[in-house]
Amino acid sequence: KNEVEQSPQNLTAQEGEFITINCSYSVGISALHWLQQHPGGGIVSLFMLSSGKKKHGRLIATINIQEKHSSLHITASHPRDSAVYICAVWSGGADGLTFGKGTHLIIQP
Amino acid sequence: DAGVIQSPRHEVTEMGQEVTLRCKPISGHDYLFWYRQTMMRGLELLIYFNNNVPIDDSGMPEDRFSAKMPNASFSTLKIQPSEPRDSAVYFCASTKVSRTDTQYFGPGTRLTVL
Repeated sequence: KNEVEQSPQNLTAQEGEFITINCSYSVGISALHWLQQHPGGGIVSLFMLSSGKKKHGRLIATINIQEKHSSLHITASHPRDSAVYICAVWSGGADGLTFGKGTHLIIQP
Repeated sequence: DAGVIQSPRHEVTEMGQEVTLRCKPISGHDYLFWYRQTMMRGLELLIYFNNNVPIDDSGMPEDRFSAKMPNASFSTLKIQPSEPRDSAVYFCASTKVSRTDTQYFGPGTRLTVL
């Protein structure tokens, strides 16, 4: 079964800082998702990656297939970015979709 | 589109009772997923359907859990009998074309089993 590790588990930063959240997995994958879970509990899909890099507004996601690693970056962070960010990977075969434990991000004004 | 719709939003029941959670995916989406989220285990995939057919139910915890998708616009997740350890938030999500596409999540059902 694919093991998905996220770091850091918790991150507190000041408004405007550049944020990086990391995700590593143990077995080759077909796709990786970054999800955002708001304090109210709702979940939004931010990115789906199978290779390379994607950008949406202030969010950038990258993946290195050879190193089995992905990063989520937030530029010019804002208090509204405060949320839990979750990495999830689709593995081949019967492993299905495996989730990381999430990174709890707090951006202070 | 209204997005993925789940009902009820909150459910409180007593141990041993049957619980049925409902989901309406986004129209035109071919895949539907059921997830469970707890503090201890985080998010877990329970089962997913493609064109109303269950594809992978290996995440369903035990025989007390069952899921059906009788048509493209409706799915149920049933727990019978319910136990306190089933208390969790249950999410439904759908994707348009493939299982790895962007997932659209419903608001979740918070289940409490007393």
